[in-house]
Amino acid sequence: DVKVTQSSRYLVKRTGEKVFLECVQDMDHENMFWYRQDPGLGLRLIYFSYDVKMKEKGDIPEGYSVSREKKERFSLILESASTNQTSMYLCASSLYRDRVANTIYFGEGSWLTVV
Amino acid sequence: GDSVTQMEGPVTLSEEAFLTINCTYTATGYPSLFWYVQYPGEGLQLLLKATKADDKGSNKGFEATYRKETTSFHLEKGSVQVSDSAVYFCALMGTNFGNEKLTFGTGTRLTIIP
Repeated sequence: DVKVTQSSRYLVKRTGEKVFLECVQDMDHENMFWYRQDPGLGLRLIYFSYDVKMKEKGDIPEGYSVSREKKERFSLILESASTNQTSMYLCASSLYRDRVANTIYFGEGSWLTVV
Repeated sequence: GDSVTQMEGPVTLSEEAFLTINCTYTATGYPSLFWYVQYPGEGLQLLLKATKADDKGSNKGFEATYRKETTSFHLEKGSVQVSDSAVYFCALMGTNFGNEKLTFGTGTRLTIIP
């Protein structure tokens, strides 16, 4: 089975702190994604990556950055956490598309509270 | 850009009732369509998918048919169980090369009462 592991399930951080959310997948997937989930808004894409050291902005990249130094690991960074970044963060991965709609696999999510 | 509109919840049904959760989309070309489910305290799991018009995806008694003419992908189940209580997300994946990200609807919370 595909495993997408998010290192922290629950975090509480202070406003202004730098926050790292880590994600690791074990299936050699090329694509990795970070989504944010908020009630009434569904899931919104923050950043995605097609390969090591490659990244693309999603729909809501402001206030976030990402790092992908190794294929299996994709990190989301909040440079200076703010209360409006309190949310559930979901990491996901998938195989590189070959004219097929490949399934995207999700981790269990990281609940971040910024106080 | 691409967008997905799904039925707002919450939806509450009795066990063994018939379920429909509506989903419509806006996209260029022929996107692939998905339903994901999120059980309490967990991440999202793929429930079913369809990659071309008139395809029917099915899994665990749930079905959805890709209707190009109505740009819809409604989720149905004939007889729901308490264990189906979850949040359901409709999503699409675009057809452009390199555009392999999912665009989600806002989610529909389903509660089944015994």
